[in-house]
Amino acid sequence: GAVVSQHPSWVICKSGTSVKIECRSLDFQATTMFWYRQFPKQSLMLMATSNEGSKATYEQGVEKDKFLINHASLTLSTLTVTSAHPEDSSFYICSASRRQAESTDTQYFGPGTRLTVL
Amino acid sequence: GEDVEQSLFLSVREGDSSVINCTYTDSSSTYLYWYKQEPGAGLQLLTYIFSNMDMKQDQRLTVLLNKKDKHLSLRIADTQTGDSAIYFCAERVGGFKTIFGAGTRLFVKA
Repeated sequence: GAVVSQHPSWVICKSGTSVKIECRSLDFQATTMFWYRQFPKQSLMLMATSNEGSKATYEQGVEKDKFLINHASLTLSTLTVTSAHPEDSSFYICSASRRQAESTDTQYFGPGTRLTVL
Repeated sequence: GEDVEQSLFLSVREGDSSVINCTYTDSSSTYLYWYKQEPGAGLQLLTYIFSNMDMKQDQRLTVLLNKKDKHLSLRIADTQTGDSAIYFCAERVGGFKTIFGAGTRLFVKA
């Protein structure tokens, strides 16, 4: 159990266009979903945290108008990169968390989406 | 501040033990995690330890936590070529916020 999927797994787009990335928890209800960005050979940078039905909380330095996050249901969150530019090219990873009996609040990660903006 | 540091590279021979070290700065961390990332993939949770524990063993994996020194280590016994990956140390610092290290690239030589 605890599988998280992302779609698409990779996307190439032209500069100025918008790209939507989906994150789904397949076999559990995710109370909270997270969006990370990972640069080559670097760690994950948390972009935002979203709870179902409420607005996402963005980390400092992350433009909320550029990276739109919607968490419409307990199994789906979307990240839309608006007016994408080459510097937005990166590996975007989502994770989801659920309450467990032992309450580790473990995050389960999706496989990531590689975005390349030309 | 919140910071997690780990060495960037480790090379071992197949069958040997691997030890990956990590230091963190936030003393209020509740959980500490080890994740594995294979090329082009997301992160896979390997194991975690609660901050009031000092050791946890799970099959080939042993986690040691020295809370006084804010030092965490992951030992992989009988390392196999399939263990080659990037290993991330992470700490939960409050609520759901998790801080990740830069990752240690483990290379296993046959």
